[in-house]
Amino acid sequence: QQQVKQSPQSLIVQKGGISIINCAYENTAFDYFPWYQQFPGKGPALLIAIRPDVSEKKEGRFTISFNKSAKQFSLHIMDSQPGDSATYFCAASISNDMRFGAGTRLTVKP
Amino acid sequence: KAGVTQTPRYLIKTRGQQVTLSCSPISGHRSVSWYQQTPGQGLQFLFEYFSETQRNKGNFPGRFSGRQFSNSRSEMNVSTLELGDSALYLCASSAGVHNEQFFGPGTRLTVL
Repeated sequence: QQQVKQSPQSLIVQKGGISIINCAYENTAFDYFPWYQQFPGKGPALLIAIRPDVSEKKEGRFTISFNKSAKQFSLHIMDSQPGDSATYFCAASISNDMRFGAGTRLTVKP
Repeated sequence: KAGVTQTPRYLIKTRGQQVTLSCSPISGHRSVSWYQQTPGQGLQFLFEYFSETQRNKGNFPGRFSGRQFSNSRSEMNVSTLELGDSALYLCASSAGVHNEQFFGPGTRLTVL
């Protein structure tokens, strides 16, 4: 039972472009929504996170948009760089019980 | 501060055996969570320990168990290994609820 659905599975973007990854969740009890970045051979690293009382959060080139009524949230990476090429996971959690999306493999072409 | 450490980094076992994986959290972190990562199923939550008590549990069979010690170090045990248990096992530590979870590099388990 997949509680967090993530799309697309893979994404190719030109350098300088905008990367957009979308997630949808089912359980309205989730109250914390982080995004993780994972490079090959490494564990995931937290990129940015949001709580449901906020509709948008921006940190540098990374922005989360959150739509509570639609139970959807998305990650926008502005001015995408080749160094952003990695796998991105959205997640949703209740009290540290965290459920992840399936991941999006992002490739940023120079 | 030292990051989350996991040992061993790589492990090869045969079906039917059991295995114990270890995780040392960041100093001061009392919560340790375990995840299984596979290409087919992605990142799946196994369980979380906080102050030596299992606080949350995912949907895994009883062959998967864990414990946490008074120094917050945690171990995960898998008994009667199956081929499908081959995966990257990740642990993550945090200071508490909804604090950032810091992941270790994982233990790559291969079951033959």
